[in-house]
Amino acid sequence: AQTVTQSQPEMSVQEAETVTLSCTYDTSESDYYLFWYKQPPSRQMILVIRQEAYKQQNATENRFSVNFQKAAKSFSLKISDSQLGDAAMYFCAYRSAVYSSTLGRLYFGRGTQLTVWP
Amino acid sequence: ETGVTQSPTHLIKTRGQQVTLRCSSQSGHNTVSWYQQALGQGPQFIFQYYREEENGRGNFPPRFSGLQFPNYSSELNVNALELDDSALYLCASSLDESNTGELFFGEGSRLTVL
Repeated sequence: AQTVTQSQPEMSVQEAETVTLSCTYDTSESDYYLFWYKQPPSRQMILVIRQEAYKQQNATENRFSVNFQKAAKSFSLKISDSQLGDAAMYFCAYRSAVYSSTLGRLYFGRGTQLTVWP
Repeated sequence: ETGVTQSPTHLIKTRGQQVTLRCSSQSGHNTVSWYQQALGQGPQFIFQYYREEENGRGNFPPRFSGLQFPNYSSELNVNALELDDSALYLCASSLDESNTGELFFGEGSRLTVL
């Protein structure tokens, strides 16, 4: 079964600085998707960034970028120029690209609570 | 275009009772999945519905059941509630059952079982 591990329960960063959130995963599949979701106090999961495993290039969305290391099964999120609005719980998630009984299912890590200091 | 909406937002039940949670999927989405998020944990997959049929289930007992209606809205039913069922229940919809579709989440229903 696929597992996702986030080893940092909490992280903090000063406004305008850069922070990196870590994520590792375990899978025997070769084709899959990885995601970072943000969950603010409003509770709604918001997609931050997505990476297809077959793409070697790291995904980037404005201030958010990932470092995807497929061989090491590592998928970290870098937030540049941190803003107060970035404060939230961040979840790393895995989704298979193989048509199987796990079709559509997201596997989440336990999350990293990010605090942004002014 | 309306997003995913869930109701109720909060509710309190006692052990042994039954609860029904509701979800309206985003316009045009025919796939709905449900997740349970216990306090301090990541969401856990309960099941997924595609065109009114369950087509995937996580490690949850049969007292967790669901429905999807012709308009693709969905219900999650939990019977014989236990204290450990206290959690945030998230509904997510996607355009289809394929693994390429992005999931759009609602704000969840917070269930407390006393």
